[in-house]
Amino acid sequence: AQSVTQLDSHVSVSEGTPVLLRCNYSSSYSPSLFWYVQHPNKGLQLLLKYTSAATLVKGINGFEAEFKKSETSFHLTKPSAHMSDAAEYFCVVSLTGNQFYFGTGTSLTVIP
Amino acid sequence: KAGVTQTPRYLIKTRGQQVTLSCSPISGHRSVSWYQQTPGQGLQFLFEYFSETQRNKGNFPGRFSGRQFSNSRSEMNVSTLELGDSALYLCASSLASPRTLRGNTEAFFGQGTRLTVV
Repeated sequence: AQSVTQLDSHVSVSEGTPVLLRCNYSSSYSPSLFWYVQHPNKGLQLLLKYTSAATLVKGINGFEAEFKKSETSFHLTKPSAHMSDAAEYFCVVSLTGNQFYFGTGTSLTVIP
Repeated sequence: KAGVTQTPRYLIKTRGQQVTLSCSPISGHRSVSWYQQTPGQGLQFLFEYFSETQRNKGNFPGRFSGRQFSNSRSEMNVSTLELGDSALYLCASSLASPRTLRGNTEAFFGQGTRLTVV
């Protein structure tokens, strides 16, 4: 079975400071992992994905994530938060095809 | 290139009624999956279709069903609606196929259908 656990339901950062959103995964096999973002009243947008090519994955809008097998983690980071980063972030695991398992989400607030 | 289109965007139904939601995938995508998003349960996988065949189904009662047409468009149906079925229903399409290993194909999501059951 596969699942993801997002360790923080809410994260608040000041504009210009680093962002860290934590995700641990559980999978019987080497998984594919994704981070999606959902802005209010908008659809889910892919930030980045890990598919074993490289453990450090760079995504859009300055986000990146590092796959650490020994820690079963896939934390999302950004060096400097922007007001437009305020949204809900989902860590997602997939084993095959078009079937995704979502974490419970982390709501990111950016304080001006 | 048009994105994933879900219709209608909003629906209000009464308990006991049934509802059908529609999803048109991105052109060329043959894989469609459905998800239910609620504040209490988050995003949960409903089912996945490829080439008109249901490939996987999540842990939902039989009142939830779906189908896919030859043009890859998909519909999901919920019968005998309950208050707890109120949710945002999201559809995703991708180039994934049954031979796709390790889910490494990006899924593109529609904006969803907001269903309210009263």
